[in-house]
Amino acid sequence: DTGVSQDPRHKITKRGQNVTFRCDPISEHNRLYWYRQTLGQGPEFLTYFQNEAQLEKSRLLSDRFSAERPKGSFSTLEIQRTEQGDSAMYLCASSFGTGSNQPQHFGDGTRLSIL
Amino acid sequence: QKEVEQDPGPLSVPEGAIVSLNCTYSNSAFQYFMWYRQYSRKGPELLMYTYSSGNKEDGRFTAQVDKSSKYISLFIRDSQPSDSATYLCAAVNYGGSQGNLIFGKGTKLSVKP
Repeated sequence: DTGVSQDPRHKITKRGQNVTFRCDPISEHNRLYWYRQTLGQGPEFLTYFQNEAQLEKSRLLSDRFSAERPKGSFSTLEIQRTEQGDSAMYLCASSFGTGSNQPQHFGDGTRLSIL
Repeated sequence: QKEVEQDPGPLSVPEGAIVSLNCTYSNSAFQYFMWYRQYSRKGPELLMYTYSSGNKEDGRFTAQVDKSSKYISLFIRDSQPSDSATYLCAAVNYGGSQGNLIFGKGTKLSVKP
């Protein structure tokens, strides 16, 4: 069990640029979640996938954000035209099964800094 | 009002002390609760997972849920400097098929040698 892996660990970019993050879930975990965490706050839900289907998006996920999980394995989160307010830690979590009560296991996140 | 409230601390205790961390929640539909530990610049690490009211023990950690008062607690016995971290409580949003977690702000704990 290699755990949830996220890449890159840290991304620094200029305002207005596009960025893409990758998440590799724990093998055989069919649910994958994206969260955003700002300093001093708990993680906030962005979106989740069951296999390759994106089943829910929160209101935090503006139209500049898009997430994919094309083959039901790894996922990418893209932010277009980045803004200062996008600076945060982006966390990925995965869980096994179709039940909503299965424990979620997190990666170490991608820290995004907007200059 | 946030759905899960947690005192952010910071909380500082001497090594060996018993630590009590607490959260309250407002949605009576919440049934599953989790405690995560987060070290600086790392992701949350699952510590405890509980369902409904009652206690669950795992080594030095005890999680307690009181649904009548919508109160969640985590107790750490014989605290160690390595327990210094931010502790996050979370409830599972079980509405529909979501299952996403709703977190408190986290309590920053420091255990002094």
